[in-house]
Amino acid sequence: KAGVTQTPRYLIKTRGQQVTLSCSPISGHRSVSWYQQTPGQGLQFLFEYFSETQRNKGNFPGRFSGRQFSNSRSEMNVSTLELGDSALYLCASSWERSQETQYFGPGTRLLVL
Amino acid sequence: KNEVEQSPQNLTAQEGEFITINCSYSVGISALHWLQQHPGGGIVSLFMLSSGKKKHGRLIATINIQEKHSSLHITASHPRDSAVYICAVRVNGSQGNLIFGKGTKLSVKP
Repeated sequence: KAGVTQTPRYLIKTRGQQVTLSCSPISGHRSVSWYQQTPGQGLQFLFEYFSETQRNKGNFPGRFSGRQFSNSRSEMNVSTLELGDSALYLCASSWERSQETQYFGPGTRLLVL
Repeated sequence: KNEVEQSPQNLTAQEGEFITINCSYSVGISALHWLQQHPGGGIVSLFMLSSGKKKHGRLIATINIQEKHSSLHITASHPRDSAVYICAVRVNGSQGNLIFGKGTKLSVKP
């Protein structure tokens, strides 16, 4: 069974631009969570989606948004990029709820110049 | 003060040594996760605990709910165990978010 995939793997953007990252969960998994990892703050929860609905959101500004499609694939969008948004963005999937064991994707490394 | 504290921050061991990484938390939790992150970023979930002890190969994880403390042990350590080990907790009543420790960087020398 294929693992969690994320595209693109690497991305360079400039301040003010917007970016969309994609995550395809393991087949059959319906819960997708997104995390941001930076050297200073470590790993932080962004949001969780289940059956196309956002179930929970971390403490991030409204510039960070996401959605989930009927096939459980998820996208996250960051608008008006800031230098501080440079990070590794990870998604993780699980069967029903993120309380279960999560399977992580390889991440998208975003650099904002 | 961080809600999840890990110690040590960095750990260097010789191959074959027994290794312990500690995690303390200050909030009520429903579960605790141990994660392994290799250079390049990929994260693997090692254990999810709500009580007691779990073992998988050379890895053992324990949790003491009353003391709000968990340990990850690696027996007969090997250079391929070199990675960052991250403790994460799910707060009681929260529906989705994990709170992460800063990680312990382990380097096992041959």
